[in-house]
Amino acid sequence: EAAVTQSPRSKVAVTGGKVTLSCHQTNNHDYMYWYRQDTGHGLRLIHYSYVADSTEKGDIPDGYKASRPSQENFSLILELASLSQTAVYFCASSDEANSDYTFGSGTRLLVI
Amino acid sequence: GDSVTQTEGLVTLTEGLPVMLNCTYQSTYSPFLFWYVQHLNEAPKLLLKSFTDNKRPEHQGFHATLHKSSSSFHLQKSSAQLSDSALYYCALSDRGTGSNRLTFGKGTKFSLIP
Repeated sequence: EAAVTQSPRSKVAVTGGKVTLSCHQTNNHDYMYWYRQDTGHGLRLIHYSYVADSTEKGDIPDGYKASRPSQENFSLILELASLSQTAVYFCASSDEANSDYTFGSGTRLLVI
Repeated sequence: GDSVTQTEGLVTLTEGLPVMLNCTYQSTYSPFLFWYVQHLNEAPKLLLKSFTDNKRPEHQGFHATLHKSSSSFHLQKSSAQLSDSALYYCALSDRGTGSNRLTFGKGTKFSLIP
């Protein structure tokens, strides 16, 4: 069954440390996305990619980097984690043709 | 830029009553509109998507009509059920840029009372 798998499911990170969130999809989709979810802000786009080895900035890219080494894998990197980056992070993939998103189960990140 | 405005905060209703969650949007192009539903501790899932023609999408008793004249895509159900308690997001896809990215509203939390 086609799916989007995120790891880890939850993580506690120390302020100033490096955090890598991973996403793997088996949908054969070209597009992949990273969103963060915060109460009162909804889902906001951080980075996205429409082809391997290329990434694009979303609406709130500051403090985040992204990497797309293959069609299936898309990582989100926090080089210097900050308290304000505590949130739930969702990865998603989509087919270019119809825009429907398939979301992963999310990663709950707590920065202390 | 694109934006989506939804009924904000918490909407509480008694089971069996009709419900409408509001969604209006601003977009340079003629976008697709979506409703996603997220149950507690789960991923958002597609509930409805607008059509390019005048068909009204329906799923699980929910329906929504795209009104381009008023830039709205309100979600409706004639009789809400306890299982409908969830967080609902309205979103638009900007077809003009080719990026396929979705812009989401802030979400409406919908809670049913038995």
